Amino acid sequence: EVQLVQSGGGLIQPGGSLRLSCAASGFTVSSSYMTWVRQAPGKGLEWVSVIYSGGATHYADSVKGRFTISRDNSRNTLYLQMNSLRAEDTAMYYCAKDGGEARGPLGYWGQGTLVTVSS
Amino acid sequence: DIQMTQSPSSLSASVGDRVTITCRASQGIRSDLDWFQQKPEKAPKRLIYAVSGLQSGVPSRFSGSGSGTEFTLTISSLQPEDFATYYCLQHNNYPWTFGQGTKVEIK
Repeated sequence: EVQLVQSGGGLIQPGGSLRLSCAASGFTVSSSYMTWVRQAPGKGLEWVSVIYSGGATHYADSVKGRFTISRDNSRNTLYLQMNSLRAEDTAMYYCAKDGGEARGPLGYWGQGTLVTVSS
Repeated sequence: DIQMTQSPSSLSASVGDRVTITCRASQGIRSDLDWFQQKPEKAPKRLIYAVSGLQSGVPSRFSGSGSGTEFTLTISSLQPEDFATYYCLQHNNYPWTFGQGTKVEIK
């Protein structure tokens, strides 16, 4: 069974850094393409970043140069390193796995982790 | 960037009603269009992939259709557990973009 368990959120001051984790089970992260999506309080969904099995990555313009998506194959875990955080980065962050045989990028979701950027 | 215009932004409906939600893309996105359901304080859940593919475990009252730039999610007979917010997503071009959401409420 595919499971994604997230951790690493919290309260952080503007300009600070935080690393989100997404521990996977039931599949191999390195063989999948993995995505981060966020949702500001009371707002809609926003795509943040994706990493493909071959290692290629893509980012939303709003986070490019500040956020880095990566994975640790030995831990079967996805990460999102967030630097130079701003108030507008405050959101619930979700990791997601592709749908496998059912195509598309967001077939399975983690439970979410809340990031609050505030002084 | 591809804009996804979702309509309506909200609707009120009764149990048993047929409900239709539309997403219009600002340019063609082939079949790279998925639909999601989100209940309060919960992670989104994929309902439909590739325009019309039904995600495993999703009831058959949910269906998707469309092509090119106009896509539709239909709930054939609304059930109490279907009251939620629905989003479309295009993943044809970066940045991937979601519609702004449709909140389905009880009439």
